[in-house]
This record gives sequence, C-alpha cells and structure tokens, in this order.
Amino acid sequence: GAVVSQHPSRVICKSGTSVKIECRSLDFQATTMFWYRQFPKQSLMLMATSNEGSKATYEQGVEKDKFLINHASLTLSTLTVTSAHPEDSSFYICSARRTAVSEQYFGPGTRLTVT
Amino acid sequence: KQEVTQIPAALSVPEGENLVLNCSFTDSAIYNLQWFRQDPGKGLTSLLLIQSSQREQTSGRLNASLDKSSGRSTLYIAASQPGDSATYLCAVRPRGGANSKLTFGKGITLSVRP
Repeated sequence: GAVVSQHPSRVICKSGTSVKIECRSLDFQATTMFWYRQFPKQSLMLMATSNEGSKATYEQGVEKDKFLINHASLTLSTLTVTSAHPEDSSFYICSARRTAVSEQYFGPGTRLTVT
Repeated sequence: KQEVTQIPAALSVPEGENLVLNCSFTDSAIYNLQWFRQDPGKGLTSLLLIQSSQREQTSGRLNASLDKSSGRSTLYIAASQPGDSATYLCAVRPRGGANSKLTFGKGITLSVRP
C-alpha cells in the first residue's frame, strides 16, 4: 500500500509555544489530506480536511486559528498547533488519499505532550 | 448521522483460536467500509477495504464481510497468533462524493495469549 509519513513522531513542548507537524505522502500525490486527533482509548476524531491549494475545512468545534493547516503541495500538509496548552496533548494522525474514490492511507502519528 | 459501534471493547483469546470481531453501523448508505489495525502508540494500518457492492474480502488469515442491509460487518481472524494482539478499528465511508469522510468505531482491543 501507499506510504504516508509524519514528522516528528514525538514532541514535547512548553505551554504557549507553537508546534508544527508535517505529513507527507511518499509515493503518491494526495489531492486530499485529513488530520485526526486521538485521545487514549478513544477513536479517531476528524479535525479537518484539506485539499491541495485550498483552505482546510474544519469540523465543528475545532478552532481553525489554533490548528493551522497548510496543504501547499500534493505531497505535503502541515498542522501547526499554535499557543499550545496541556489540553492539546494528544496523538495526531494524518491521512491522505489520491482521489475522491480511492482508499485513505494513514501516517504513523505524532504524540504531542504540552507541559 | 452515521454511528459506528464495536462491541466488545476488549477481547482476550488463547493462541490458535478462530475469532470474529463485530462492527455495526446505523446508516446503510455507505460507499465502503475499512478494517484497520492499530498497535499501541502507532498509526493505522489498513487491513481490508470492502466496497459497498462487495460482500467480503480476504487477505491471508483475515476475512471481512459486509451486510449493508443489516448494517453489519465482521472481521474473521483464523488461527490467531500473539502477533495479532492490537486494536482493530472499523470505519465506514458514506456515499457523498469527494467530501465524504470516514466515521470510526472505538475499536476492539484484542489480546491473544500464548
């Protein structure tokens, strides 16, 4: 299957700082990328959907000014958590798909801990 | 609104046993259904994808079935091994074109005892 990478895999930051997470599709061009958040023992919650070259669509309750998403190319999307707080600590997973009808492939996730 | 349920939340079986993991969904108007595996602290690995027109898919010791009319899918694991221990998530994608999104169940955490 297709490969999606995330960087970093783990990050610890202080409260009030910003953190950027990268998501790359390594062997295919992704017209759409998704960002999910997962709390311990919970399922994945979709945060936002981004299409290359256009603004991300955020799910209800997700603050777009806090979680900045950029999908500048067909192989790269970034999620920036601005002014992070301890409650933002979570596991963030990105996903990508080639076209509207194709399968979604998931990255390995990024564990964010805000102290 | 689509809801996906996976019961039980956890399951423990002895090695070698054949087992079935269940997934139910409330809206049968789906585009496809996927089963994923998630190891602790890791991302998701796609196991099987069933299109709405299909009844089942097989990969090695895994077989997934889909019954849209009853809103159910099962993941059958044959001859389970300790390496199968992980959380198994079911996700459905509704019809709706380019912007349809996956809805996940909470997963079933499987433990296979040696």
